[in-house]
Amino acid sequence: EAGVAQSPRYKIIEKRQSVAFWCNPISGHATLYWYQQILGQGPKLLIQFQNNGVVDDSQLPKDRFSAERLKGVDSTLKIQPAKLEDSAVYLCASSFRNSPLHFGNGTRLTVT
Amino acid sequence: AQKITQTQPGMFVQEKEAVTLDCTYDTSDQSYGLFWYKQPSSGEMIFLIYQGSYDEQNATEGRYSLNFQKARKSANLVISASQLGDSAMYFCAMSRPYDAGNMLTFGGGTRLMVKP
Repeated sequence: EAGVAQSPRYKIIEKRQSVAFWCNPISGHATLYWYQQILGQGPKLLIQFQNNGVVDDSQLPKDRFSAERLKGVDSTLKIQPAKLEDSAVYLCASSFRNSPLHFGNGTRLTVT
Repeated sequence: AQKITQTQPGMFVQEKEAVTLDCTYDTSDQSYGLFWYKQPSSGEMIFLIYQGSYDEQNATEGRYSLNFQKARKSANLVISASQLGDSAMYFCAMSRPYDAGNMLTFGGGTRLMVKP
């Protein structure tokens, strides 16, 4: 089966600019997650979707981060405006019922 | 709240030897899942092994085994016969509740380096 697809692979922006990341989960996976992984740390959950509904977004900085999954398949994560501390790898993952999470290769964001 | 602690920032192991990566956890949930993921330098997170809190047998997957000690709240990963390709970051994670598909809380990771 095709894996979780993410794009772009790398992104460099200046602080206060906006950026968007895209994720296409494994076909049939109803649950989609966005994680933020700062260099040297473990991933931290930002938001979890079940189909097109939000299950948990308690750790999403809502003043600058937004995410959507309008048709219950693809998802986009946006940051506006970006700060230096947003530099990280943004990982998308999906799962089917009780299966373990399958992760994409991530988007490495550098904010200068 | 759940918390995962990995106390070994980095470890070396000689090729073909076994190595144990430590993981302790804290939770008030009665049912939960414990996972190990491998992250090579390329960045993808690769699922290795899963243990449910009510599973009586320790999980095994090929060269990977999970040493689950519920009373001590530890879930150590044992890699037997290390290979050069095992060099990577390893993350312990926990799900809530007893559902592999639920969101994961990760530890800080351990970097394993396999020496030839």
